[in-house]
Amino acid sequence: ETGVTQTPRHLVMGMTNKKSLKCEQHLGHNAMYWYKQSAKKPLELMFVYSLEERVENNSVPSRFSPECPNSSHLFLHLHTLQPEDSALYLCASSQTVNSYNSPLHFGNGTRLTVT
Amino acid sequence: DAKTTQPTSMDCAEGRAANLPCNHSTISGNEYVYWYRQIHSQGPQYIIHGLKNNETNEMASLIITEDRKSSTLILPHATLRDTAVYYCIVMKTSYDKVIFGPGTSLSVIP
Repeated sequence: ETGVTQTPRHLVMGMTNKKSLKCEQHLGHNAMYWYKQSAKKPLELMFVYSLEERVENNSVPSRFSPECPNSSHLFLHLHTLQPEDSALYLCASSQTVNSYNSPLHFGNGTRLTVT
Repeated sequence: DAKTTQPTSMDCAEGRAANLPCNHSTISGNEYVYWYRQIHSQGPQYIIHGLKNNETNEMASLIITEDRKSSTLILPHATLRDTAVYYCIVMKTSYDKVIFGPGTSLSVIP
């Protein structure tokens, strides 16, 4: 039990589909993040939310659309993806977004395959 | 921002201490050293972090050199479940330009 739960664990979608990834944190944290981990590449930060407000959009294509309805839930809406978007998408949370002593807590990710 | 360099891979015998080095020679005074690990098919797991003093928790110890240009993560009694990729990163905040490099792939051998 990591305290950060992601669903689904695996997702296969076509390029014309629309799907959403869900993340829920049970740690009482105020900041949430989306990361992308492609094969043989380091983790890439995509989006950061602090108290439901987006504080960073790291040059992510518009086919990825995040939503943070409250401090415990984070979604990543996907539409018209490309095969190169296939990757492990990781959600993380931390107590605050601007604290030296606020480690990231990750979920186990959603393995996305775009066909 | 400071970057880190780590060996690509290491082996450690089960039950022995695993010492994982990290170089961060360009670290600035307000950057913390963080360690995470990622077991296959799971998300990264926070292990420990520190600024300049040595730190210890239930998982590991972190030894930071006096000049802060390098550090060592110590797993005192490695088990097979410690086989993972270990990432050393430096961070000013929780997210600001966090750069996860390739890390060190640690294999604990029976």
